[in-house]
Amino acid sequence: ETGVTQTPRHLVMGMTNKKSLKCEQHLGHNAMYWYKQSAKKPLELMFVYSLEERVENNSVPSRFSPECPNSSHLFLHLHTLQPEDSALYLCASSQDIYNEQFFGPGTRLTVL
Amino acid sequence: QKEVEQNSGPLSVPEGAIASLNCTYSDRGSQSFFWYRQYSGKSPELIMFIYSNGDKEDGRFTAQLNKASQYVSLLIRDSQPSDSATYLCAVRRLFGNEKLTFGTGTRLTIIP
Repeated sequence: ETGVTQTPRHLVMGMTNKKSLKCEQHLGHNAMYWYKQSAKKPLELMFVYSLEERVENNSVPSRFSPECPNSSHLFLHLHTLQPEDSALYLCASSQDIYNEQFFGPGTRLTVL
Repeated sequence: QKEVEQNSGPLSVPEGAIASLNCTYSDRGSQSFFWYRQYSGKSPELIMFIYSNGDKEDGRFTAQLNKASQYVSLLIRDSQPSDSATYLCAVRRLFGNEKLTFGTGTRLTIIP
């Protein structure tokens, strides 16, 4: 266990659904991240939050909407997704944006 | 040209031998380098990081960095079946762009 938890672990949704992914870190870290991992592709950074402020947004489609209400929690709100959005979504945290990152177990998302 | 390149493998190594994993990167401004291990169906787990040219040893693992040649490698001595996993190389500029850029990973199989 890395001290980073994610729920749900598996999610199947239709293209018209709205769902949210949740990440919680118990490490006292100040930075949190969302990554997307698809087969045969490198991990793709989606969003970075530092002290609850978004510091990076890597041209992610607006159907993905992050929320960071406090330094321990990070959400990824999903709506009108496409089948190509099916992937493993990983949350990570680090002491600050310059330190090594620790990953949660991920949410395996399938969009039908 | 990919920012971080790794041979996707699979790389098969007999148990007890040395496994050598290589990674090259294109950004000469990269300052910090990380190796993550990812078991099938699991999230990445940090196993080594290196900032300075030369070797860094931790147990059976040795990271080697050569900034002039823009490569970083990971050696695993006395390979065990439990080392079978995908190994992800990640690089980052220490200042400025804090984004971790990952390679696609090398799948390593240790043959008993």
